[in-house]
Amino acid sequence: QVLLLQSGPDVKKPGASVRVSCEASGYTFVDYYVHWIRQAPGQGLEWMGWLNPKSGGTNYAPKFQGRVTLTRDTAVNTAYMELHSLRFDDTAVYYCARVDGPVTIYGVVLSEGARYDMDVWGQGTTVIVSS
Amino acid sequence: DIQMTQSPSSLSAFVGDTVTITCQASQNIKNHLNWYKQKPGKAPQVVIFDASVLESGVPSRFTGSGSGTRFTFTITSLKPEDIATYFCQQYHNLPLTFGGGTRVGIK
Repeated sequence: QVLLLQSGPDVKKPGASVRVSCEASGYTFVDYYVHWIRQAPGQGLEWMGWLNPKSGGTNYAPKFQGRVTLTRDTAVNTAYMELHSLRFDDTAVYYCARVDGPVTIYGVVLSEGARYDMDVWGQGTTVIVSS
Repeated sequence: DIQMTQSPSSLSAFVGDTVTITCQASQNIKNHLNWYKQKPGKAPQVVIFDASVLESGVPSRFTGSGSGTRFTFTITSLKPEDIATYFCQQYHNLPLTFGGGTRVGIK
């Protein structure tokens, strides 16, 4: 069974950092990009960035550039999202999701048979920023 | 950034009705569009990818169509288990962007 298992909820103070983990199982971890998406309470979905587990390469949404760091540990099939300088409006559910094909700043890189949807999601991690 | 304008933001229909959601992109995104379903407290799940391809295991009452800037998502013969919020998402270019969502309810 293909699964992404995320770490548990966290409460942080403004200005702190939070790290969320996303452990993959049931597939070859390095063969799929890992994307991070967040959802503030009652709001829509906001894309934060992607990580290429094979190379360690990353791409961040401009809104989060400089404040988010995506990393991975291939020995334990786990991706990490660290968000720094937390603010109250960073309170949200954070999701990881896998994507088959690459999308770059130049556009989608069409690969034979690749898919570009988020076909497997983690269960979500609630991060609350509170003083 | 590519803006995705989704409408309506919410709708209610009777069981058995056909409901349609639209998603308008701010520029031509070809067929680089996905649709997701999200139930309260749960992660989203893909329903349609590449604008019109039904995800494996998803009932055939869900269909997607469109290309360029205008897309539609249709549920025929609405069932109670279809109550959810539906989002469109473009993957034509970074940053990936989502529509604002449509909450589908039962009358």
